[in-house]
Amino acid sequence: SQQGEEDPQALSIQEGENATMNCSYKTSINNLQWYRQNSGRGLVHLILIRSNEREKHSGRLRVTLDTSKKSSSLLITASRAADTASYFCATVGGYNKLIFGAGTRLAVHP
Amino acid sequence: SQTIHQWPATLVQPVGSPLSLECTVEGTSNPNLYWYRQAAGRGLQLLFYSVGIGQISSEVPQNLSASRPQDRQFILSSKKLLLSDSGFYLCAWSEQLTAEAFFGQGTRLTVV
Repeated sequence: SQQGEEDPQALSIQEGENATMNCSYKTSINNLQWYRQNSGRGLVHLILIRSNEREKHSGRLRVTLDTSKKSSSLLITASRAADTASYFCATVGGYNKLIFGAGTRLAVHP
Repeated sequence: SQTIHQWPATLVQPVGSPLSLECTVEGTSNPNLYWYRQAAGRGLQLLFYSVGIGQISSEVPQNLSASRPQDRQFILSSKKLLLSDSGFYLCAWSEQLTAEAFFGQGTRLTVV
């Protein structure tokens, strides 16, 4: 069963705008990760945030984690057409099992 | 550096035929290995994972099986494919501690 659920399912924005995607999960976690998938390709790891962290930055990416609400958000600032992809959150449980959500499809229009 | 190889990239198989997808990892030892399936426009469903040679855990009862004959080799198999086995199959590995996963490029399987 899926652990993380992303919201919204799809997001369409113009270049230069910010994109915010949310993820909710159900059980306790060791860490939460965000991945990107270009159409028809494998997933690429973007950022990992540990359960004792509240915010993390990587370039134009900002991830927040609220363990009391069991939720996380991914913010992409100053989006570019090349950011068009699907974005997934994944939670880590026992044996480093990664359980993925359904993803958010982001379309950035020039 | 570590690399992961997954093949073939695409596969069209008739119903009832067998399946063997192979995944190998280079540049690391004793990785966690995973097989995921992704339906079109959907998230990833964890099928199997392995924390060591010969050790396989199944997440979802189904028509598929997995094996890990060597430390860095993970094989997904079926004796008789069903139409519902169609999908995009992804192999991944992670280190034991960090759990950041690295994915292969995937195999698009179409059962006809």
